[in-house]
Amino acid sequence: DAGITQSPRHKVTETGTPVTLRCHQTENHRYMYWYRQDPGHGLRLIHYSYGVKDTDKGEVSDGYSVSRSKTEDFLLTLESATSSQTSVYFCAISDSEETQYFGPGTRLLVL
Amino acid sequence: GQNIDQPTEMTATEGAIVQINCTYQTSGFNGLFWYQQHAGEAPTFLSYNVLDGLEEKGRFSSFLSRSKGYSYLLLKELQMKDSASYLCAVSGGSYIPTFGRGTSLIVHP
Repeated sequence: DAGITQSPRHKVTETGTPVTLRCHQTENHRYMYWYRQDPGHGLRLIHYSYGVKDTDKGEVSDGYSVSRSKTEDFLLTLESATSSQTSVYFCAISDSEETQYFGPGTRLLVL
Repeated sequence: GQNIDQPTEMTATEGAIVQINCTYQTSGFNGLFWYQQHAGEAPTFLSYNVLDGLEEKGRFSSFLSRSKGYSYLLLKELQMKDSASYLCAVSGGSYIPTFGRGTSLIVHP
């Protein structure tokens, strides 16, 4: 299994609070991604990174920001959490276009 | 844009064969992925098709027709542990996969 971890694995927070999710890899892969997965929508890309300090927006980036200051870490921040951001968040890594390896996921509940 | 369609749910019997279809309309095409995802777990990679034809990996095979915008995942000798969601994803011009909504497969004894 690819060395990819996410923290926290579960979080409950209140509307309006900032939340930061962390993705950490030990594979030295260039590309890192944040997805959210919701019933009826499948996996949707939030942001991705193609190198240190190089990031770009995905399909559902509103309300989210990311940072990548080191190859191994990709942070996702919900600037002011809303109930619509209750979801399961997956981080993924890749070193080519031929596959992605997914982390275990973070379950976020915004009350 | 990208549009990827797959059935929402399928049921099958243990020991049987099931085919999960995926159709797509995308701006650019580099390859098509299939992932398996058990409930409460992360997706895991099954296959990546770039060229037309059938690729076999044990009990699982994946087929691609680029001219028809069509793929299927074939699962043989179904086992109870194959009950999962199967995600079709297409890599387009940006090389970033876009995922379909997934097909939930239920295998009955």
